[in-house]
Amino acid sequence: QKEVEQNSGPLSVPEGAIASLNCTYSDRGSQSFFWYRQYSGKSPELIMFIYSNGDKEDGRFTAQLNKASQYVSLLIRDSQPSDSATYLCAVNIGGSWGKLQFGAGTQVVVTP
Amino acid sequence: DADVTQTPRNRITKTGKRIMLECSQTKGHDRMYWYRQDPGLGLRLIYYSFDVKDINKGEISDGYSVSRQAQAKFSLSLESAIPNQTALYFCATSDFLPGAGITGELFFGEGSRLTVL
Repeated sequence: QKEVEQNSGPLSVPEGAIASLNCTYSDRGSQSFFWYRQYSGKSPELIMFIYSNGDKEDGRFTAQLNKASQYVSLLIRDSQPSDSATYLCAVNIGGSWGKLQFGAGTQVVVTP
Repeated sequence: DADVTQTPRNRITKTGKRIMLECSQTKGHDRMYWYRQDPGLGLRLIYYSFDVKDINKGEISDGYSVSRQAQAKFSLSLESAIPNQTALYFCATSDFLPGAGITGELFFGEGSRLTVL
C-alpha cells in the first residue's frame, strides 16, 4: 500500500473555478507536508508547505491539514490555464527532516 | 545558472552499460537526494545523503550506487543499466535547520532523462 495517496485525475476545472486536490498519508509521525507543482517534463517546484492543523493561505492557494484524519488538501481559487500541471503531495517520512515521500500526483487541466 | 545542476540532461544507452549521473549544487545544503520519476508512480527515493560521510538507501536502491564526492556533489551510478531503469531522474537538496524559517523543502535540479535500450 502506497503511503501517500492522491487521485491521479485528470481533474478538469473551468477557468475561474476552484480546484480541490486531496492527499492522504499513512505515517502518523509525519510532521511536514508539501505541495509541489510540476509542468510536463520540468522539475517540481514548491507552492505550499504546512506543518500545523488547519488552513494556510498564500495568494490563490490554500493548504488544509488534518492530522487526525491524515489528509492534506490543496485548493486553487480562480483557476487559470497556467495552473494546468501535475500537483504532487509530499510528506516527510518517519519524522526525518527533508526525507520526503511523494504521491503519484494529480493532473489538473484548466479549461478556458 | 541553476542552483542544482544535473548532467547529462538526456542520455540514451544500451543494456549492460555503466552510466553515471552527476549532480552539483551551489545552495550550500548538506542534504542531497536522488529520485526517479516514472509515469503514474510519482517520485521515488533512490538514495540520500545527509552529509559527505552519511549515505543511505531509499526505497528503490537496487541496481544503483552513489558517491558523495563533496558537500556540493552527489553522483548516481547504474553499474549495468537495464531497460526498466528508463526514467526521469532528479537530484534534490534540502537544508537542515529546524525553526528559523527553514521549511525542509526539496530544491530540485532540472532532471536527467535516461533511456536504456
